[in-house]
Amino acid sequence: DQQVKQNSPSLSVQEGRISILNCDYTNSMFDYFLWYKKYPAEGPTFLISISSIKDKNEDGRFTVFLNKSAKHLSLHIVPSQPGDSAVYFCAARGETSGSRLTFGEGTQLTVNP
Amino acid sequence: EAGVAQSPRYKIIEKRQSVAFWCNPISGHATLYWYQQILGQGPKLLIQFQNNGVVDDSQLPKDRFSAERLKGVDSTLKIQPAKLEDSAVYLCASSRGQLQETQYFGPGTRLLVL
Repeated sequence: DQQVKQNSPSLSVQEGRISILNCDYTNSMFDYFLWYKKYPAEGPTFLISISSIKDKNEDGRFTVFLNKSAKHLSLHIVPSQPGDSAVYFCAARGETSGSRLTFGEGTQLTVNP
Repeated sequence: EAGVAQSPRYKIIEKRQSVAFWCNPISGHATLYWYQQILGQGPKLLIQFQNNGVVDDSQLPKDRFSAERLKGVDSTLKIQPAKLEDSAVYLCASSRGQLQETQYFGPGTRLLVL
């Protein structure tokens, strides 16, 4: 039962353009969502989060959008830079699962110079 | 501030052997997590400690996996005996508390079971 899904295994964009990474979830009890970035041979690094009471959260070049009715969230990176090339994981948690994070499968983002 | 430390970084064993992984969380972090990340999948929580007590081990295969955090600081995760499907990266994470606290991950231990 995959409760958090990232349907695109990979995404390639040009430097300076927008990167949009998508994530869908099925568990309506999730109320907090996070994005992590992972470089090879390193652990995931927290990037940005959003509570279910919001529909947008922005931090510099990174913006996360949440559409609760569609059970969908997306991460926008503008402008994309070659250093953004990494695997991006969407994660979610809810009251009934405590602080346990449920992760998606990840999307490999490649930003070409 | 030092990050989450894990050792070893890589381990190759044969099936039915035993293996142990070690994790030292960020100083002062009360909550410690062990995740298993199989190739092509996202990390899956195995066990969560709050200080030296277990908070959540619902997804830990208890017939072969065990973990402890005796003094509420560092932790070990053991697999005995290992199976081929245990090949994965084992990630340790820590946070100051629970719920809204950010989890900080270590680099992981890559296990290959032959």
